[in-house]
Amino acid sequence: SYVLTQPPSVSVAPGETARITCGGDNIGRKSVNWYLQRPGQAPVLVIYYDGDRPSGIPERFSGSNSGTTATLTISRVEVGDEADYYCQVWDSSSDPPGVLGAGTKVTVL
Amino acid sequence: EVQLVESGGGLVQPGRSLRLSCAASGFIFDEYAMHWVRQAPGKGLEWVSGISWNSGTKVYADSVKGRFSISRDNAKKSLYLQMNSLRAEDTALYYCAKEIGIVVVRGAFDVWGQGAMVTVSS
Repeated sequence: SYVLTQPPSVSVAPGETARITCGGDNIGRKSVNWYLQRPGQAPVLVIYYDGDRPSGIPERFSGSNSGTTATLTISRVEVGDEADYYCQVWDSSSDPPGVLGAGTKVTVL
Repeated sequence: EVQLVESGGGLVQPGRSLRLSCAASGFIFDEYAMHWVRQAPGKGLEWVSGISWNSGTKVYADSVKGRFSISRDNAKKSLYLQMNSLRAEDTALYYCAKEIGIVVVRGAFDVWGQGAMVTVSS
């Protein structure tokens, strides 16, 4: 089945930019979603369909997807952005259609 | 307020069955596809199963195919997951989740419940 590769951890200073990658075979041809999960809480959708933001998600969060890598970019990082981030692919022509990455722990130094 | 509330979790022996329920409120339930996602203790998220708004499409992860069955009752605004032949590796927090887009099944979940814990152990 389809495999997504995320770095286990990313560290960033407050005010800087964090980039979290998600690698997969021809991922640029698939729809990618991103979630954050804080300890003890349910996941939160931050980017869907590659680059759309749900209502209530700050413009500091953006997404891109091309070739073999999708990227979640968090600009002007805040302490509250510290969380686990998961990428997800949905491909209706595949079986199974839904796959999640293993997650990236973002630490704000 | 848009809300999803899971129920039915608990401790079950290997090989036995369990049925999870998810009660929806605050949105037009029968317009949206719904999904189950699980998270084993200390591990990452795993998509488990999804169902279209009209139950015409049901999809499953390889790890549960043939053992789990997803269903919904739009009149009751409820989603279900029937879990049979449970294994120790099915131990997880099971989340109910709603698609962000009307009618479509594209796997983007904008509303999540707080989860129901399932523990499979003898």
